[in-house]
Amino acid sequence: QKEVEQNSGPLSVPEGAIASLNCTYSDRGSQSFFWYRQYSGKSPELIMFIYSNGDKEDGRFTAQLNKASQYVSLLIRDSQPSDSATYLCAVRRIYGNNRLAFGKGNQVVVIP
Amino acid sequence: DGGITQSPKYLFRKEGQNVTLSCEQNLNHDAMYWYRQDPGQGLRLIYYSQIVNDFQKGDIAEGYSVSREKKESFPLTVTSAQKNPTAFYLCASSSGRQTYEQYFGPGTRLTVT
Repeated sequence: QKEVEQNSGPLSVPEGAIASLNCTYSDRGSQSFFWYRQYSGKSPELIMFIYSNGDKEDGRFTAQLNKASQYVSLLIRDSQPSDSATYLCAVRRIYGNNRLAFGKGNQVVVIP
Repeated sequence: DGGITQSPKYLFRKEGQNVTLSCEQNLNHDAMYWYRQDPGQGLRLIYYSQIVNDFQKGDIAEGYSVSREKKESFPLTVTSAQKNPTAFYLCASSSGRQTYEQYFGPGTRLTVT
């Protein structure tokens, strides 16, 4: 099992709709979770981090963490064309000197 | 402005040449990291450093070398021993104290022919 998995293929959503992205992780003791947005040809940009079970909201973004089921999700409300990007999930390794393990990312395409 | 800079943005080299990628940060962060990203792949950790004058191998260190002589700087050398050096190289930093989020520089796209 991979450390961090983002399995779904490209996600196309109409403008104004909710985009939902999921990420599962293998280390049950993981404590810190991050979502990055990466535009084509650019570097990743941190958009959310979450440490506690439940929801964390920041503007149009909501991160949801369920440690018992070992998944973290990202919701993008009122999706805009500028949200079209690849979203990377990252998890802090519990035995890794604070290193992060990254998923391969999910591409989101917002259709005007 | 606080941030992370990487230079150059694009780099072209012939096979068999060593090349050094620059990474500088003025965020006063203790920890710095080097990743490479290949098309359709996630980020893979090459080397990381948690304090000055100390660094550790990441998951794919073979063919790479680093130094950390100053807190602000963490250069990466891609040696001729690296079999597939063409990639997008990303430098990141983290305060390393109680918070663990990493912030990335703009990246260097290296092409070796």
